[in-house]
Amino acid sequence: AQSVTQPDIHITVSEGASLELRCNYSYGATPYLFWYVQSPGQGLQLLLKYFSGDTLVQGIKGFEAEFKRSQSSFNLRKPSVHWSDAAEYFCAVGAGNRDDKIIFGKGTRLHILP
Amino acid sequence: NAGVMQNPRHLVRRRGQEARLRCSPMKGHSHVYWYRQLPEEGLKFMVYLQKENIIDESGMPKERFSAEFPKEGPSILRIQQVVRGDSAAYFCASSPPGLAEAFFGQGTRLTVV
Repeated sequence: AQSVTQPDIHITVSEGASLELRCNYSYGATPYLFWYVQSPGQGLQLLLKYFSGDTLVQGIKGFEAEFKRSQSSFNLRKPSVHWSDAAEYFCAVGAGNRDDKIIFGKGTRLHILP
Repeated sequence: NAGVMQNPRHLVRRRGQEARLRCSPMKGHSHVYWYRQLPEEGLKFMVYLQKENIIDESGMPKERFSAEFPKEGPSILRIQQVVRGDSAAYFCASSPPGLAEAFFGQGTRLTVV
C-alpha cells in the first residue's frame, strides 16, 4: 500500500533563508510524486510533480524537488523564502496506473520569521 | 476553463440530518477524488471515482457515507445522519484521462451542530 511520511509537522525559517521540507514515500512500483501548497481556508495548489526523467524538478514560485529512489525521498527546496510562502505543504504519491489513488502526507506547516 | 467547483463552501447541519456535498470537475476530466481534512491530520483519502464507476472506496466509512459520479452532473458525496465527528473540510479533486495529477476545489466546510 502507498504511504507518505512528512516527518516535520511545523518548520520555522527566517525570511530570505533557505528551506528544505522532507518527504519519504512507500510505493511498490515507480511512483508519481507531487508537492502541493495550501493557504488557510483554501484548496490545494500543485507546486510541482515528478513522473519520470530528470530527478530534479522545477516548480512554480521558485520551488524545486529532488527524487532520490535509493532513499525513497522527494524533498522540497527553495533557496530563499518569502513571507508569502507561509502555508501548509503536502507531499503526495500516486501511480501511472489509473486505478491507484493519490495518497497525501499529513503536511508540514511553514512559518516565516520577519 | 473553470476550475473544480465545490458547493456549498460552508454547510451547517444538525445531528441526524443529511449532508450533500457537490463537486463539478474541470471540463474534460473523467476522474474525481474525495478527501477529508481535519486539523493536524492532512488529507485522508475517501473515494476515487470515474463516471458511473467507483474505482476505490477503501477510505470511506462503512456506514452513512456514499459517493457517486453520474454520467451527467456533478459528483456527490452524501453523509446520512451526520454526527459531530463528521465536522471537517471535504475536498474534491479531478483529473483528466490518462493523467494521475489531481486539481483541487476550494473545499466544503461541514459543521455539525
